[in-house]
Amino acid sequence: EAGVTQFPSHSVIEKGQTVTLRCDPISGHDNLYWYRRVMGKEIKFLLHFVKESKQDESGMPNNRFLAERTGGTYSTLKVQPAELEDSGVYFCASSHKTGVHNSPLHFGNGTRLTVT
Amino acid sequence: AQRVTQPEKLLSVFKGAPVELKCNYSYSGSPELFWYVQYSRQRLQLLLRHISRESIKGFTADLNKGETSFHLKKPFAQEEDSAMYYCALASGGYQKVTFGTGTKLQVIP
Repeated sequence: EAGVTQFPSHSVIEKGQTVTLRCDPISGHDNLYWYRRVMGKEIKFLLHFVKESKQDESGMPNNRFLAERTGGTYSTLKVQPAELEDSGVYFCASSHKTGVHNSPLHFGNGTRLTVT
Repeated sequence: AQRVTQPEKLLSVFKGAPVELKCNYSYSGSPELFWYVQYSRQRLQLLLRHISRESIKGFTADLNKGETSFHLKKPFAQEEDSAMYYCALASGGYQKVTFGTGTKLQVIP
């Protein structure tokens, strides 16, 4: 099966600009997650979609971040306007529908965002 | 709030030596614990999960609820084990996953 794909793999933008990251989950996976790893720190949860609905967006840093998953397939994460502290690696992950036990996450390769 | 702690940023061992990557967690409910691994130039992937109680690539991890730990162990390290290891905790019916800061394992030939 095709894995989780993320685009672009790298993005370098200037402070104040807008960037949109895209994630295509594994086909059939209802759950889609966005995570971020800032240099030297843990992988932090941003938000979770179940199909097209936002299940939990408690990790979104502020209102400069907007995530969408129209139609319950791919997702986009837009940062507008970008700030220096937004630099990091943004990971997308997907998993099967939740059952009795939590399904493992399947990760994409990540998008490395550098804001200068 | 749930939290995962990995106290070591870097762990260096010689090939053939035992390995123990430490992980402690705090969570008020009944957690599900995982270890994820990221090899060089590869994506983050699941290594093992506590409910499976299996050994993957020679690694095992036992959930100790008394000590709130889920340490990852391997009796004899191999060079190909060098990677970044993340301990993770899943909670809630919708599986919010919290990761530790990661430990870089370096196996010296």
